Amino acid sequence: GENVEQHPSTLSVQEGDSAVIKCTYSDSASNYFPWYKQELGKRPQLIIDIRSNVGEKKDQRIAVTLNKTAKHFSLHITETQPEDSAVYFCASNFGNEKLTFGTGTRLTIIP
Amino acid sequence: EAGVAQSPRYKIIEKRQSVAFWCNPISGHATLYWYQQILGQGPKLLIQFQNNGVVDDSQLPKDRFSAERLKGVDSTLKIQPAKLEDSAVYLCASSLGAGNTEAFFGQGTRLTVV
Repeated sequence: GENVEQHPSTLSVQEGDSAVIKCTYSDSASNYFPWYKQELGKRPQLIIDIRSNVGEKKDQRIAVTLNKTAKHFSLHITETQPEDSAVYFCASNFGNEKLTFGTGTRLTIIP
Repeated sequence: EAGVAQSPRYKIIEKRQSVAFWCNPISGHATLYWYQQILGQGPKLLIQFQNNGVVDDSQLPKDRFSAERLKGVDSTLKIQPAKLEDSAVYLCASSLGAGNTEAFFGQGTRLTVV
């Protein structure tokens, strides 16, 4: 069935260090992998996404990598700042635009 | 550009009562999603529309939940009767569709069932 597993569930890093969150998906037909950031009490907001025809995409301090063979993708945040503290969700479309979300990672940046 | 609009923002009802949520997607977006987000969990897809047709409602508890998008624009989600475990944030999202899956979320409706 359609499943997205996300790890870790919580992550604390020192300000300035890097954070990495990993997700695996079950359906090889998946071709779209977005990452959302959700601050407390707010809506999920898209921060970066990647499609299956590329292996990596970068936007300033945020990057996403995709390994189609292993069916996993990762979010990388470099030079972390206090405003990066939030819950991050990965998602996959399972080839039919149906977005299925992971369980979330609560990222805390320690000043 | 206007985003996804949802109302109400908050709702408190007693169990066994009914409640309805409304969503207006971004103009021109063919795909509309309703998600349920229980505190501390990821959004769970309840139903997905493509224009006014249902694409997926496999996780919608159809004995108590219903949704419609009659004219392919606005949508309503109804719960009747509500249970305590329905307490959650109900998020509406929309996307252009046709292979463009980038989804934009509304602010959500926080439902508390007491």
